[in-house]
Amino acid sequence: AQSVTQPDIHITVSEGASLELRCNYSYGATPYLFWYVQSPGQGLQLLLKYFSGDTLVQGIKGFEAEFKRSQSSFNLRKPSVHWSDAAEYFCAGGNSNSGYALNFGKGTSLLVTP
Amino acid sequence: DAGVTQSPTHLIKTRGQQVTLRCSPKSGHDTVSWYQQALGQGPQFIFQYYEEEERQRGNFPDRFSGHQFPNYSSELNVNALLLGDSALYLCASSPKTGGETQYFGPGTRLLVL
Repeated sequence: AQSVTQPDIHITVSEGASLELRCNYSYGATPYLFWYVQSPGQGLQLLLKYFSGDTLVQGIKGFEAEFKRSQSSFNLRKPSVHWSDAAEYFCAGGNSNSGYALNFGKGTSLLVTP
Repeated sequence: DAGVTQSPTHLIKTRGQQVTLRCSPKSGHDTVSWYQQALGQGPQFIFQYYEEEERQRGNFPDRFSGHQFPNYSSELNVNALLLGDSALYLCASSPKTGGETQYFGPGTRLLVL
């Protein structure tokens, strides 16, 4: 089955520390992948997307993600976390076989400590 | 440039009632998708509308139906509400070109009592 998995339910990092949120995908054909962020009670904001080409993609707010086919991963990274980055992060994916639906992971909740 | 807008922001209904949620897509977008996000979960795809037709449907019962208007705005209707329908309902729009990328609205929080 085509799916996206986020292994970490909660992540806590200190402000200023680096961040890596994990995302694994299971797709037969080459997937397109996204990272979204959701603040409490809010909708989803697109951080970045990958379709093809350069496997390191840059997004908004200083985030980047790297597509690794050999590991079926698309991990989100940020070199220095700010307190305002505390939110829920969702990885989502799809491909030509899934049509137009995006499959979402269950999310990773990021807590930033002083 | 206005993003995706949804109304209402919050709604309280009782079991068995019917509800209609509304969505206006981002300017220049012609495709609307609806997702249900239960508490503590990722969004689940309900269906997508394009050219006023349901183009794809997720694993949701027929109680969930929708409509798209000529101006590309959309409605989600849920009949015979169940307690389990309580969730955040998200609308997403996408352009004709590069339609894989979906941009989400703020959502409508539905509580069924």
